[in-house]
Amino acid sequence: AQSVAQPEDQVNVAEGNPLTVKCTYSVSGNPYLFWYVQYPNRGLQFLLKYITGDNLVKGSYGFEAEFNKSQTSFHLKKPSALVSDSALYFCAVRDGGATNKLIFGTGTLLAVQP
Amino acid sequence: EAGVAQSPRYKIIEKRQSVAFWCNPISGHATLYWYQQILGQGPKLLIQFQNNGVVDDSQLPKDRFSAERLKGVDSTLKIQPAKLEDSAVYLCASSVNHLESTEAFFGQGTRLTVV
Repeated sequence: AQSVAQPEDQVNVAEGNPLTVKCTYSVSGNPYLFWYVQYPNRGLQFLLKYITGDNLVKGSYGFEAEFNKSQTSFHLKKPSALVSDSALYFCAVRDGGATNKLIFGTGTLLAVQP
Repeated sequence: EAGVAQSPRYKIIEKRQSVAFWCNPISGHATLYWYQQILGQGPKLLIQFQNNGVVDDSQLPKDRFSAERLKGVDSTLKIQPAKLEDSAVYLCASSVNHLESTEAFFGQGTRLTVV
């Protein structure tokens, strides 16, 4: 079965520093990967997705993600963190098959200190 | 473009009572999802509709949970009777279709507390 793993429950970074939120995947075919962000008391907001092609995907709010097939990773990155980036981040994968369920990781809490 | 609408935002009920949640997806979106998000966990898919048909309900506790999507648009999720462990945020999402490359858009969720 397809799955994603987020190895870090929390990531702490100082404002202005680069940030990385890690995600690894396990799929049997071509991976279709997504990143979502969740602010307190809000639903999930789509950030970006990888379908095929360029390994560096650019998304909303200055975020980007790097797809690495050999390491089966899809890490979320931003060159300069903002305090307002503090939120819960989820990696997700479509599981293929007839229904193509969207399966989420456990989430990583990003805390950006001023 | 209007987003996914959910109501109510918050609900507190006693165990063994029943509750219903409503979702209005983005216009034209054929696929509708209900997820359960327990505090500290990632969202778990409960049921997925394609138009007005169920395509996946493998993780829906069918002895107490039910859902329907009338005319392939709005959807309701019901719990009867509720248990303490049903306390969670219930998220509705929709997407244009259920192809691999398609992202889903989420509503703000309904926070259910069962006491």
